[in-house]
Amino acid sequence: QKEVEQNSGPLSVPEGAIASLNCTYSDRGSQSFFWYRQYSGKSPELIMSIYSNGDKEDGRFTAQLNKASQYVSLLIRDSQPSDSATYLCAVQNYQGGSEKLVFGKGTKLTVNP
Amino acid sequence: DGGITQSPKYLFRKEGQNVTLSCEQNLNHDAMYWYRQDPGQGLRLIYYSQIVNDFQKGDIAEGYSVSREKKESFPLTVTSAQKNPTAFYLCASQAGTTQETQYFGPGTRLLVL
Repeated sequence: QKEVEQNSGPLSVPEGAIASLNCTYSDRGSQSFFWYRQYSGKSPELIMSIYSNGDKEDGRFTAQLNKASQYVSLLIRDSQPSDSATYLCAVQNYQGGSEKLVFGKGTKLTVNP
Repeated sequence: DGGITQSPKYLFRKEGQNVTLSCEQNLNHDAMYWYRQDPGQGLRLIYYSQIVNDFQKGDIAEGYSVSREKKESFPLTVTSAQKNPTAFYLCASQAGTTQETQYFGPGTRLLVL
């Protein structure tokens, strides 16, 4: 069974701080990694995607991937109250022609003003 | 506007009743997916379809059925065999090639009367 693990939280940070969200996965053959943000009662929206080892930055968000350690993280710099949401890590292994994603249970982030 | 629409937003099911959730996309995506989300849980895959007239069971297909007669549409029927249908149902689509993002519709919340 392919698994994706996230700290359930809640993670609470003050406004302006760096929020660090972590994710580990069991399928060593995984090739694509995604972070989704989900506000309460809403559907997930894509924040970042990463495919190669290293860092990928987009504005205040940085995704970090380490395939050897089977670990992916999301850093949110200068956290804002509007960042308060549940963050879902998703992992994809498309070998065999399937593009199925496996999701973690999510980490709830609260940014305090 | 390109996107994924789901209807209805809220759906009430009586015991023993089959209900159908609608999902339509105008993104010209090949692959479509149905997920179920329960409180505090991640997304669990019910069914997916990578091409018209073909679909596969996901991790929790029992009590559900789907069809894919058109590229744009992937309706989900929750049958009376699904004994615990109360959940948030999310439809997603993907272009179908590797390293492509899954995009989500707004979701349907199903409640049992």
